[in-house]
Amino acid sequence: TQLLEQSPQFLSIQEGENLTVYCNSSSVFSSLQWYRQEPGEGPVLLVTVVTGGEVKKLKRLTFQFGDARKDSSLHITAAQPGDTGLYLCAGEAGNQFYFGTGTSLTVIP
Amino acid sequence: DTEVTQTPKHLVMGMTNKKSLKCEQHMGHRAMYWYKQKAKKPPELMFVYSYEKLSINESVPSRFSPECPNSSLLNLHLHALQPEDSALYLCASSQAGQGNQPQHFGDGTRLSIL
Repeated sequence: TQLLEQSPQFLSIQEGENLTVYCNSSSVFSSLQWYRQEPGEGPVLLVTVVTGGEVKKLKRLTFQFGDARKDSSLHITAAQPGDTGLYLCAGEAGNQFYFGTGTSLTVIP
Repeated sequence: DTEVTQTPKHLVMGMTNKKSLKCEQHMGHRAMYWYKQKAKKPPELMFVYSYEKLSINESVPSRFSPECPNSSLLNLHLHALQPEDSALYLCASSQAGQGNQPQHFGDGTRLSIL
């Protein structure tokens, strides 16, 4: 059983389209992090959200932390081929660090 | 360029070989991690070192043996591996243990067992 479930698991879209990735849990997290992993590289931290209801923007990426701190979303506007990669949410609950199940995104030129 | 350096980038070994993976960071982080990752799956935690002491061992087979010689270095010694051990092995570091501190990852060692 995974503590952090991501959806969708796989996503293939055309360049220019918008998309949203969800990270859900039944547990409360003190904070959640989002990482992107490109092929052949390690995961790279994109953002950390800490406060319930918080919204953070990173260029075309918008991250939201749920009010109850049990879920988060990542919205990408006008996706580009460079956005292709594995997106991972992660966070700490009960003194343990968990990765989400991952979302593999392919943006087709 | 990542601030966590892993060597080698690729490793092919037979099931009877002994090899070591190396990881180095100079960010002053006192927690270091080994993860195993299969294609398009999330990293799976193997070991955590906190202040050079092994704090978490996620029931990893004894054919994987971690070592933390000092606060900047982390090794993973491999012996008698199985084909199912083929994967990307990632090292990470963070400021202090697990928790809210973000982890900085190396680019991994791609391991293939023949």
